[in-house]
Amino acid sequence: QKEVEQDPGPLSVPEGAIVSLNCTYSNSAFQYFMWYRQYSRKGPELLMYTYSSGNKEDGRFTAQVDKSSKYISLFIRDSQPSDSATYLCAMRVGGSNYKLTFGKGTLLTVNP
Amino acid sequence: SQTIHQWPATLVQPVGSPLSLECTVEGTSNPNLYWYRQAAGRGLQLLFYSVGIGQISSEVPQNLSASRPQDRQFILSSKKLLLSDSGFYLCAWGQGLYGYTFGSGTRLTVV
Repeated sequence: QKEVEQDPGPLSVPEGAIVSLNCTYSNSAFQYFMWYRQYSRKGPELLMYTYSSGNKEDGRFTAQVDKSSKYISLFIRDSQPSDSATYLCAMRVGGSNYKLTFGKGTLLTVNP
Repeated sequence: SQTIHQWPATLVQPVGSPLSLECTVEGTSNPNLYWYRQAAGRGLQLLFYSVGIGQISSEVPQNLSASRPQDRQFILSSKKLLLSDSGFYLCAWGQGLYGYTFGSGTRLTVV
């Protein structure tokens, strides 16, 4: 079983739709959870981050972590064509080890 | 502010040729530095990471090596490229609790 599983999509939605992106993981030691957005031919950029379980909201984006289910989600409200990108989940254990484990990424296209 | 520079952006190299990709970081000291490779359908694969000058950890056996000759410089090398070395190479630095800052990447095609 891979440490982090993420549906690669592709996911295509109309503009204004609510998008739900998800990852599951197997390592219960993961404590820090992140979402990266990667535009085509660019490096990933940090979008959201959360610690342990709970929700975090930033504008149109909401990140959720359910450690009991080993499941994290990213919701995008009122999706825009500019949201079209690959979204990667990432996570790491606590302490001073900053190595991240990434999902494979989900390709999202928002159609105008 | 911290910035990370990575070059070249695109590279086409013949099989058997050497490789040198460079990454430098500005605006921070003693950063943790990482080399990742991203291949289609395979996600981000950690190749090397470094917590200080001369300190390199390898995550997977491969045809590549890394060096950190200066605090804010990280170099990825190969003596003889293979076709399977093709991919998108990303340098990143991370010092905080959350995540990395990635460079803009190098797209390597081995022909």
